[in-house]
Amino acid sequence: QKEVEQDPGPLSVPEGAIVSLNCTYSNSAFQYFMWYRQYSRKGPELLMYTYSSGNKEDGRFTAQVDKSSKYISLFIRDSQPSDSATYLCAASPYGNNRLAFGKGNQVVVIP
Amino acid sequence: DAGVIQSPRHEVTEMGQEVTLRCKPISGHNSLFWYRQTMMRGLELLIYFNNNVPIDDSGMPEDRFSAKMPNASFSTLKIQPSEPRDSAVYFCASSYQGLNTEAFFGQGTRLTVV
Repeated sequence: QKEVEQDPGPLSVPEGAIVSLNCTYSNSAFQYFMWYRQYSRKGPELLMYTYSSGNKEDGRFTAQVDKSSKYISLFIRDSQPSDSATYLCAASPYGNNRLAFGKGNQVVVIP
Repeated sequence: DAGVIQSPRHEVTEMGQEVTLRCKPISGHNSLFWYRQTMMRGLELLIYFNNNVPIDDSGMPEDRFSAKMPNASFSTLKIQPSEPRDSAVYFCASSYQGLNTEAFFGQGTRLTVV
């Protein structure tokens, strides 16, 4: 069993819709939670970073962590075609070291 | 800064051949990571260096895989002998060590072993 589980199914939404992505994790030592965005044929790039439980908002993006249920979420409001990418959740006990990644969700925003 | 630079971008090799992937981290970064990405397993950490010293190689799949970091500006990942199941995209990432720092990824090397 992977330490971070993410249902890798693709997701297609119309422009302007809210995109909701989520992951679960099993390692209670995880304290740092991240969402990476990966465009086709590119390396992942950090999108959101959260320490411990709580919410973090950055523009149209909101990351949530619920450590009691070991649940990680990402919401994208007013989605744009430029948001079309694969989104990977990740977690670690030590910041950016030893990151455990989910498999990723491919999101397509249709104009 | 040009970011993390990986070479080659694409590599096609025959089974049994030696493959060497190269990485130049961002100047000033002292942590370097090698990841492998496949459809089946997603993105997996292979090995992690700090100040040129391998800290955690528990993700290296087999003895066929080896990684070196002879200096702060260069690292290699070698597969010898290569097998078709090694086909994947290999990413190198670097960061400045710290709990609240970002790891920057290179563009990746797409390896195909036939």
